[in-house]
Amino acid sequence: QVQLQESGPGLVKPSETLSLTCIVSGISVNTYYWSWIRQPPGKGLEWIGYINYSGRTTHNPSLGSRLTISIDTSMNQFSLKLSSVTAADTAVYYCSRVDGIIQSFDYWGQGILVTVSS
Amino acid sequence: QSALTQPASVSGSPGQSITISCTGTNSDIGSYKFVSWYQQHPGKAPRLMIYEATKRPSRVSNRFSGAKSGNTASLTVSGLQAEDEADYYCCSFASGSTWVFGGGTKLTVL
Repeated sequence: QVQLQESGPGLVKPSETLSLTCIVSGISVNTYYWSWIRQPPGKGLEWIGYINYSGRTTHNPSLGSRLTISIDTSMNQFSLKLSSVTAADTAVYYCSRVDGIIQSFDYWGQGILVTVSS
Repeated sequence: QSALTQPASVSGSPGQSITISCTGTNSDIGSYKFVSWYQQHPGKAPRLMIYEATKRPSRVSNRFSGAKSGNTASLTVSGLQAEDEADYYCCSFASGSTWVFGGGTKLTVL
């Protein structure tokens, strides 16, 4: 079955770059679209960005140029890099599969808490 | 890109029905049929409950239904059960191939 698993450091220092990877199993990343979504503690969901199998990306305008999303088809995974982080970037980060026909997030990882603190 | 507007909380007794509204703009809900709803229990990842505003994945109970009119979508849960107590989020596809979520609604089963 389709499974997604986020991996990366749980603690990042302010002004540094947050880097996460989503390892996908049960399906090839070449066949669907993929997205990152985050949730600050006690708050709601925020869509971060999306990448398709050809590498086309879109992102939440609120993140400006800090965000980079990439895909590695050989490793069957995709990644997130968010630069110049502040405490406001502390959140549970989820990776998810996007069904490009119904434009919905149908499979999710379990989430990883990333804390920005010195 | 502003968040969709949802009530912070709703409640109902077991067996009753509740409806959660989700208001957007002409740039999101008003322009696309791609409204989805997600259920999230504490400490868990969200789960897709409704897609394309009114359709339900086969594994989701038929007690959950969705509707859309203009810039507003809604989720109705009928025959409330204790297990329905959770946070619910609406989401809309938006211009520029982006997505926007609502602020979330906490459903309490009394």
